[in-house]
Amino acid sequence: DAKTTQPTSMDCAEGRAANLPCNHSTISGNEYVYWYRQIHSQGPQYIIHGLKNNETNEMASLIITEDRKSSTLILPHATLRDTAVYYCIVRGTGNQFYFGTGTSLTVIP
Amino acid sequence: GAVVSQHPSWVICKSGTSVKIECRSLDFQATTMFWYRQFPKQSLMLMATSNEGSKATYEQGVEKDKFLINHASLTLSTLTVTSAHPEDSSFYICSAANRVYQPQHFGDGTRLSIL
Repeated sequence: DAKTTQPTSMDCAEGRAANLPCNHSTISGNEYVYWYRQIHSQGPQYIIHGLKNNETNEMASLIITEDRKSSTLILPHATLRDTAVYYCIVRGTGNQFYFGTGTSLTVIP
Repeated sequence: GAVVSQHPSWVICKSGTSVKIECRSLDFQATTMFWYRQFPKQSLMLMATSNEGSKATYEQGVEKDKFLINHASLTLSTLTVTSAHPEDSSFYICSAANRVYQPQHFGDGTRLSIL
């Protein structure tokens, strides 16, 4: 199962775009990339997922490189409520999620 | 849509008792449900995968006799922590998916404290 690598922490100014990178260099051809976030003491919240094309929804955009070895989650206008731990996950062969350490994003007023 | 309800949200009990946690998919049928545990300031650790009507598949190092999982219907899975001890105190989270490649949807977790 592919592993992911993310920076431990990041800061972002309120109102600015938050760009969260993720490396998944061992990803295989049919494995999707999923992004979730977890606010303290809650269950993870689904944000977005993709296979190889860029994706956008009401929460965020997902940019996947052409070789699929890395991706970036973009929160276009970060707010204080976006402060959370963000997890990039590559789904396992049995549909399992193996969480890495994630990126702790702090949005600064 | 895609709501997963977990109950109870918080439980405190004495050492040696068994505790059951329920996970329900409220508006979709979950062919697969997953159970995780999370210690403070750590990431989620997958404990087991359960498919409706079949035995759960446990991750390496997770005691199947300690953590009993039942997935009797397409909307309900339960995790029973048997003979719980203080070291079992943790945040337990379930998730559900209705088909392969679809996102997992998570419950809000159960905080278990064993005295």
